[in-house]
Amino acid sequence: DTAVSQTPKYLVTQMGNDKSIKCEQNLGHDTMYWYKQDSKKFLKIMFSYNNKELIINETVPNRFSPKSPDKAHLNLHINSLELGDSAVYFCASSQGKGAQEQYFGPGTRLTVT
Amino acid sequence: AQKITQTQPGMFVQEKEAVTLDCTYDTSDPSYGLFWYKQPSSGEMIFLIYQGSYDQQNATEGRYSLNFQKARKSANLVISASQLGDSAMYFCAMREGISGYSTLTFGKGTMLLVSP
Repeated sequence: DTAVSQTPKYLVTQMGNDKSIKCEQNLGHDTMYWYKQDSKKFLKIMFSYNNKELIINETVPNRFSPKSPDKAHLNLHINSLELGDSAVYFCASSQGKGAQEQYFGPGTRLTVT
Repeated sequence: AQKITQTQPGMFVQEKEAVTLDCTYDTSDPSYGLFWYKQPSSGEMIFLIYQGSYDQQNATEGRYSLNFQKARKSANLVISASQLGDSAMYFCAMREGISGYSTLTFGKGTMLLVSP
């Protein structure tokens, strides 16, 4: 059973397009996250949701819009894709406050041409 | 200022030897957690070990141990008896204000290569 899953695993698209990445966790966690890993492997938090509510929103262009239909799902929609959006996007989840560990999904490699 | 510093971009070790990956952190919050994650070439992020700021003992998980020196603000990962499968990128990360909602701040990572 996959704990945190993401679809698609690979996404190749052209500049200016709009795309979505989906994330689902079956761990019963109440907090979910989106991280971006750039070409130099640096990981940075983008958003965090707790029970469908946005709790952390780092400095991310408003072309990125997360949506959490329920606490098991957190999707990421990106409008007007730019070359600089090419990266690996990781979804993660954890339980409550002070959680010891965040469980990561397999990542989605987005390539914008 | 960087909150997590990993000064070793790359490390080489021979199979069966021990290796230490360095990590220093910067926080004024008395409550925090320190994590190490492994990212093999396949890309997934694998949790290895956790150390809480109030934990008295150094954390250990199998061949992994965390050398926690609070006064020095260091949280080095020690891998004993290296295996070929340990070749990967290793990330140190921190969560501050561990009793509230917070996210992980990552270092830039250390690439470990284990040779036969």
